[in-house]
Amino acid sequence: QKEVEQNSGPLSVPEGAIASLNCTYSDRGSQSFFWYRQYSGKSPELIMSIYSNGDKEDGRFTAQLNKASQYVSLLIRDSQPSDSATYLCAVNAGAGKSTFGDGTTLTVKP
Amino acid sequence: DGGITQSPKYLFRKEGQNVTLSCEQNLNHDAMYWYRQDPGQGLRLIYYSQIVNDFQKGDIAEGYSVSREKKESFPLTVTSAQKNPTAFYLCASSAGPYGGYTFGSGTRLTVV
Repeated sequence: QKEVEQNSGPLSVPEGAIASLNCTYSDRGSQSFFWYRQYSGKSPELIMSIYSNGDKEDGRFTAQLNKASQYVSLLIRDSQPSDSATYLCAVNAGAGKSTFGDGTTLTVKP
Repeated sequence: DGGITQSPKYLFRKEGQNVTLSCEQNLNHDAMYWYRQDPGQGLRLIYYSQIVNDFQKGDIAEGYSVSREKKESFPLTVTSAQKNPTAFYLCASSAGPYGGYTFGSGTRLTVV
């Protein structure tokens, strides 16, 4: 079992729809959770951080964390073609280093 | 503006050659990291450093070496012992042990 698992994708949604990206992790001691966006050929960019159970909203993005279920999700509302990218889930279980999932590629169709 | 600078953007290595990838940050971050990304895959940790003059091996350290003589700099050497070095190399930094990362723009290394 991988330490961080994401939906293999690809995920395709129409413009204006809600995109839902999911991630599970294996280490119950994990402290912090992140979503990064990576455009093709570019480096990842941090878009959301979440540290406690519940929801965290930032503009069109909502991160959800459920530590009991070891589950993290990212919702993108009113999806735009510019949201088309690979989304990486990362988990920090301590020692100051993050473990990344393989990513889910999202395509938003106009 | 603060950020992380990686150089070169593209690098070509001949068989049996050592090459060094540069990573410099002006964010005043204590922690720095090197990850490798292969096509269609996530990031795998090579080495990381929480403080100057100290660094730890990540999951795939074999064939790589690093140094951390200055807070701002964390160069990565890909040695001839690394048999499959062709990949996208990413340097990152974070302000604290549980924080998110700021990434550099990456170096694409190809063996010729």
